[in-house]
Amino acid sequence: NAGVTQTPKFRVLKTGQSMTLLCAQDMNHEYMYWYRQDPGMGLRLIHYSVGEGTTAKGEVPDGYNVSRLKKQNFLLGLESAAPSQTSVYFCASSYGAQPQHFGDGTRLSIL
Amino acid sequence: GENVEQHPSTLSVQEGDSAVIKCTYSDSASNYFPWYKQELGKGPQLIIDIRSNVGEKKDQRIAVTLNKTAKHFSLHITETQPEDSAVYFCAASKSGGGADGLTFGKGTHLIIQP
Repeated sequence: NAGVTQTPKFRVLKTGQSMTLLCAQDMNHEYMYWYRQDPGMGLRLIHYSVGEGTTAKGEVPDGYNVSRLKKQNFLLGLESAAPSQTSVYFCASSYGAQPQHFGDGTRLSIL
Repeated sequence: GENVEQHPSTLSVQEGDSAVIKCTYSDSASNYFPWYKQELGKGPQLIIDIRSNVGEKKDQRIAVTLNKTAKHFSLHITETQPEDSAVYFCAASKSGGGADGLTFGKGTHLIIQP
């Protein structure tokens, strides 16, 4: 039972490039979330999903898109990466009003 | 939206002493308050949580207290050990931890001095 798995663990991009971060959970959770963590800041919610085929904006959604085509996967896309998107990205999942389980993060640098 | 303030940003205590981290929240509709521990290079891990219908919860050396009137909640760690060294985050949610995500404080770096 792997829990929440994030792919890749590290990535370096050039400004303007695009990429997709993958989050997979094997706990049959309905809810999934993407957060970003910057130095000296807590985690901030980017987008979330309350079920397959649904997505919603969080606190800092600009510059990101998401998709939840399968219940177990939640994808975060950067269409045109900017240096301000250099961050550590965390995915989480939960079942109903139960605690959120986090992955170990994707460290993304944009040059 | 919700705003969560966390203090202190850094806390250094002697091994065996107690540590207290405090958080305040702004939205009186918030009803779920988890605490997460984050070790270097890892994701946050839930250590304890409390819902608004409870004033205190304890799990071995860790306890959380909630004052709904004052809109603040605190994490208490007793008999601290070296493995307690980490960054701790408080968070708040209006949906009981479910649908609309969590609002986090900025974290407290807890250092346990041997």
